[in-house]
Amino acid sequence: GAGVSQTPSNKVTEKGKYVELRCDPISGHTALYWYRQSLGQGPEFLIYFQGTGAADDSGLPNDRFFAVRPEGSVSTLKIQRTERGDSAVYLCASSLGPLENGYTFGSGTRLTVV
Amino acid sequence: GESVGLHLPTLSVQEGDNSIINCAYSNSASDYFIWYKQESGKGPQFIIDIRSNMDKRQGQRVTVLLNKTVKHLSLQIAATQPGDSAVYFCAEKNPSNTGKLIFGQGTTLQVKP
Repeated sequence: GAGVSQTPSNKVTEKGKYVELRCDPISGHTALYWYRQSLGQGPEFLIYFQGTGAADDSGLPNDRFFAVRPEGSVSTLKIQRTERGDSAVYLCASSLGPLENGYTFGSGTRLTVV
Repeated sequence: GESVGLHLPTLSVQEGDNSIINCAYSNSASDYFIWYKQESGKGPQFIIDIRSNMDKRQGQRVTVLLNKTVKHLSLQIAATQPGDSAVYFCAEKNPSNTGKLIFGQGTTLQVKP
């Protein structure tokens, strides 16, 4: 596609539920990144994929968070047993090779845990 | 730990004036820096970048200055327009973390007509 697409754009879920957030990167982009942005803050790194593998998952806050990219294109961020503190905008970005080549963000998924 | 911070949370300028947004970074090993613009409800949008082997880089109406001695980054916007109103973030990359950007908290730029 023309840009990074994230679905859904908004998600409201109850505390304790499981959610999946989807990211469709720009076609052909080998690298994919997930960030989390809380209100009034800058984006915070979660995980980075190079192809199908997670090259750096040091930003995942705990084992409730998991992300996959099975075919090296679409990625899914999965959150188990959601907590109110997980409420944030989850941003996805992709790049063709190193991030210095250009790092394009999607519009994000706004997750609200009630 | 690592942090990238911005000096002012909000900057208000008159349309047509020049804007300067500042950023301090703490990791002297960072080798790449980016300025992003974020409008409400949208993801960050790339404005301009600079590598650590440069002091200055110019784009269309924007200039980024890097002072490695004091670990300071600035974004200058010439002839600020109402469409420039947004939150601006600086971000840095450490060469040991090739896929990770560290963002500051952001500065809100308000352009008065």
